[in-house]
Amino acid sequence: EAQVTQNPRYLITVTGKKLTVTCSQNMNHEYMSWYRQDPGLGLRQIYYSMNVEVTDKGDVPEGYKVSRKEKRNFPLILESPSPNQTSLYFCASSAGQGLGGYTFGSGTRLTVV
Amino acid sequence: SQQGEEDPQALSIQEGENATMNCSYKTSINNLQWYRQNSGRGLVHLILIRSNEREKHSGRLRVTLDTSKKSSSLLITASRAADTASYFCATSSPGGSYIPTFGRGTSLIVHP
Repeated sequence: EAQVTQNPRYLITVTGKKLTVTCSQNMNHEYMSWYRQDPGLGLRQIYYSMNVEVTDKGDVPEGYKVSRKEKRNFPLILESPSPNQTSLYFCASSAGQGLGGYTFGSGTRLTVV
Repeated sequence: SQQGEEDPQALSIQEGENATMNCSYKTSINNLQWYRQNSGRGLVHLILIRSNEREKHSGRLRVTLDTSKKSSSLLITASRAADTASYFCATSSPGGSYIPTFGRGTSLIVHP
């Protein structure tokens, strides 16, 4: 089944403790992106990648890092999480510009206390 | 930067009625996409319309695009309770990353 898999689904952590949210897609997609969703703010893009080793900042990149060493994986790293990073996070992938829509993962609900 | 903005923010209708949601955007686009999100879940892609297209259909969904007005509409005909969800438009612009940017969404409630 074609899908984007995010892990974990839920995570509660403490301020300052480094964490990684994994994202993997099995569709050989070029494009991958991370979003966070907060009430009243919709989805905001954190980072995106258009190919292996090519990443760029979205609208809200502060406090986040990503890497794209392989086509299928696009992990999101929070080096020193803070409470304002408590949010619902989504990873998404696409074959490319105009080649159909994005496939989203099921989301990771992160709480930083 | 928030490109698409949906209107209305919330819509409440009875089963069987049609639901219309609008999306306005600011700059020129390559394509516009509509997504559905059930509460707390991932978004599901519904339909993509390219800048040179004016209308597209998929089942009970009809999307129109007016590039002169920089707006799009999503019509759901004969709505069902299962259509209850949030609906987002996303635009992809030329000269940029082509990664879509999303609006804040329209929350649709369909009463049985």
